Amino acid sequence: AQKITQTQPGMFVQEKEAVTLDCTYDTSDPSYGLFWYKQPSSGEMIFLIYQGSYDQQNATEGRYSLNFQKARKSANLVISASQLGDSAMYFCAMSLFGNEKLTFGTGTRLTIIP
Amino acid sequence: DTGVSQNPRHKITKRGQNVTFRCDPISEHNRLYWYRQTLGQGPEFLTYFQNEAQLEKSRLLSDRFSAERPKGSFSTLEIQRTEQGDSAMYLCASIPWSNTGELFFGEGSRLTVL
Repeated sequence: AQKITQTQPGMFVQEKEAVTLDCTYDTSDPSYGLFWYKQPSSGEMIFLIYQGSYDQQNATEGRYSLNFQKARKSANLVISASQLGDSAMYFCAMSLFGNEKLTFGTGTRLTIIP
Repeated sequence: DTGVSQNPRHKITKRGQNVTFRCDPISEHNRLYWYRQTLGQGPEFLTYFQNEAQLEKSRLLSDRFSAERPKGSFSTLEIQRTEQGDSAMYLCASIPWSNTGELFFGEGSRLTVL
């Protein structure tokens, strides 16, 4: 079974600063994907970024990058130049190749301070 | 391109009543997922459809829960004899055949059982 651990229940960050949200995972399967989703107060889960277990380079999507350290089984999300609109819950998730069923962590509530 | 639509967005009911939620996925997305999210937790997998076939059900889906996707388009999730422990956000997500694993989520249906 897969497990995702997010150890930061909440974080406060000054606007325009960079922020790192931690995520560690556990699986014995070598083929997997790692995801980050943003959940604003409206409730919708918004996909941010994806990293495959065989990808050699860290994924980047605009201001989002994923710091993938396979040996440590960590997949931290880095948000550069944070904005007020980044305030939301952030969830790390994983799935195995060939199965899109996602296993989520408990999330981190990010609050951007003006 | 319309996103995943869920109705109703909010439902308050008394214990013992039946409730039904509807999910309209993005058109031509052949796979559809239901997740449940309780307060302070990440979403948990409930069930999954490929077209009209229900291919997997979680142990979380007790016999009071039933999900259908009769024509491979919209899906319904019914909870019979609701209990207070059923209070949660019910999230629907869809994914096209060719996708690498990113689920497209709706805004969810929040159930409160009094």
